[in-house]
Amino acid sequence: SQQGEEDPQALSIQEGENATMNCSYKTSINNLQWYRQNSGRGLVHLILIRSNEREKHSGRLRVTLDTSKKSSSLLITASRAADTASYFCATPTGRRALTFGSGTRLQVQP
Amino acid sequence: DARVTQTPRDKVTEMGQEVTMRCQPILGHNTVFWYRQTMMQGLELLAYFRNRAPLDDSGMPKDRFSAEMPDATLATLKIQPSEPRDSAVYFCASGLVLAGAGNNEQFFGPGTRLTVL
Repeated sequence: SQQGEEDPQALSIQEGENATMNCSYKTSINNLQWYRQNSGRGLVHLILIRSNEREKHSGRLRVTLDTSKKSSSLLITASRAADTASYFCATPTGRRALTFGSGTRLQVQP
Repeated sequence: DARVTQTPRDKVTEMGQEVTMRCQPILGHNTVFWYRQTMMQGLELLAYFRNRAPLDDSGMPKDRFSAEMPDATLATLKIQPSEPRDSAVYFCASGLVLAGAGNNEQFFGPGTRLTVL
């Protein structure tokens, strides 16, 4: 079973709007990562947030982590057509592997 | 520009044939992962290695799949015999895992799209 589950499964917005994706997980973690996957490509690491951090920024990305609720959110501000991709959260498992969620498919309409 | 490479990028084969997928991890990375991605199951971890030693292959069907790292620059995933249900995109990823460090970012290759007819 997957540790992280993203919500929504799919999201369609207009260019310039903000996109918010959520991730829920089940067990205690020391960090959580977000990855992006463009169609036909491998996953690309976006950002890592540690369990002692509540919020982290990277360019137009803002990630929050609520360990009490076992949830994280990824906000993309001022979205662009190039942000169209699938976004996955990933949590550590034993021996430093990662378990990926099912992903959110984001479509940004130009 | 260091990146993970995978070959072949696409493979079409017939049921029963042997398939070998290859991965060259980023130089200096000590951990290599194999994933399979399908629409139905999403991204599944098949196996991974640290310092070339297999750490976990519990996600892999043992009877037909095998993963090896003959040296630090090459990881292979073999399916013999292949079946139509093995059709998927297979990704290799590598990372540098240090004792005590919490950052375990993974770098993915472009994947091998396997179609078994």
